[in-house]
Amino acid sequence: DQQVKQNSPSLSVQEGRISILNCDYTNSMFDYFLWYKKYPAEGPTFLISISSIKDKNEDGRFTVFLNKSAKHLSLHIVPSQPGDSAVYFCAASDLNAGGTSYGKLTFGQGTILTVHP
Amino acid sequence: DSGVTQTPKHLITATGQRVTLRCSPRSGDLSVYWYQQSLDQGLQFLIQYYNGEERAKGNILERFSAQQFPDLHSELNLSSLELGDSALYFCASSATSGSTDTQYFGPGTRLTVL
Repeated sequence: DQQVKQNSPSLSVQEGRISILNCDYTNSMFDYFLWYKKYPAEGPTFLISISSIKDKNEDGRFTVFLNKSAKHLSLHIVPSQPGDSAVYFCAASDLNAGGTSYGKLTFGQGTILTVHP
Repeated sequence: DSGVTQTPKHLITATGQRVTLRCSPRSGDLSVYWYQQSLDQGLQFLIQYYNGEERAKGNILERFSAQQFPDLHSELNLSSLELGDSALYFCASSATSGSTDTQYFGPGTRLTVL
């Protein structure tokens, strides 16, 4: 049961253009969402997060949009740079979960972003 | 460098064996999380410890167990290993047990079961 889905395994973008990475979720209890970036041979690195009380959060070149009704979020990178080439993971959490689910992050399968010079 | 260290980097072993993966969290972090990333899979949450106590649990197999020691380092024990246990195992740490705490990941241990 894939509760967080990243349907595009890969995305290729030209340097300077916008990269848009998409993520869908099925669990309506999720209310906190994150994006992580992962380079080869390294662990994932936190990028940006958004709470369900917002529909947009911006940090420099990175903006995350949340559409709760569609259960969809996206990460926009503008402008894209070759150093952004990495695997991007979307993750979600239920902030009100109790018991053994508290603090649990559910990850998507990742999207490989390649930014060409 | 996230400040989270994992040893060993690589581990090759045979089916039926038992291995121990070790994680040292960032200085001051009280929570440790373990994740498994199999081929073509996203990261699957296994278990979380907070200040020595089990805090949250995912789909962790009964053959797997973990603990967090008084110095806050953690170990993940995998026993009766099967071919399907071959994966990248990541440890992450966060300051507290809060759901919005940023989790900082280590570089991972690549386990290969032959």
